Amino acid sequence: GAGVSQTPSNKVTEKGKYVELRCDPISGHTALYWYRQSLGQGPEFLIYFQGTGAADDSGLPNDRFFAVRPEGSVSTLKIQRTERGDSAVYLCASSVSSTGLGGYTFGSGTRLTVV
Amino acid sequence: DAKTTQPPSMDCAEGRAANLPCNHSTISGNEYVYWYRQIHSQGPQYIIHGLKNNETNEMASLIITEDRKSSTLILPHATLRDTAVYYCIVRAISYNTDKLIFGTGTRLQVFP
Repeated sequence: GAGVSQTPSNKVTEKGKYVELRCDPISGHTALYWYRQSLGQGPEFLIYFQGTGAADDSGLPNDRFFAVRPEGSVSTLKIQRTERGDSAVYLCASSVSSTGLGGYTFGSGTRLTVV
Repeated sequence: DAKTTQPPSMDCAEGRAANLPCNHSTISGNEYVYWYRQIHSQGPQYIIHGLKNNETNEMASLIITEDRKSSTLILPHATLRDTAVYYCIVRAISYNTDKLIFGTGTRLQVFP
């Protein structure tokens, strides 16, 4: 596609439920990133994939958060036992490779609301 | 990780140059300075980046001080569509990481 696609655009879930957020990167982009943006704040790094592997997952806040990219393209961010503090916009980005210094392309994000 | 400091807000008249400052006094020698902007309800949009030399592209210019502790993003002729939050960012790249470290950004308001 022309850009990074994230689905759903909005998700409302009850506290304690499990959610999955999907990211379709730009075709051919080997590097994929997840960020989280709380209201009024800049985005915070969560995880970085190079191909199928998570090269850096140091930004994941705890073990309720997990992300996969099994075929090196689409990625899914999974959140277990959601809490109200997980409410935020989750942004996905991709780039041709992490060795290229051009900017990432971000999607429009998934707004997650935990009630 | 290096962090950036920016003024929370700035105003600029349409057609005038907008100069957005950023401090990154703890930046490491191999870390790049990136600028992104974010318009409400959209993902951040790449503007420009640099290491130690000044850079220019079709959107903006980036001036980095010689000691690399600060930089300025210049939008030469601001338009109403440039109203957005502008983030000054350090990009940390190594063999096992590649991440953008965002600050809190500057909200630029361009007025007629």
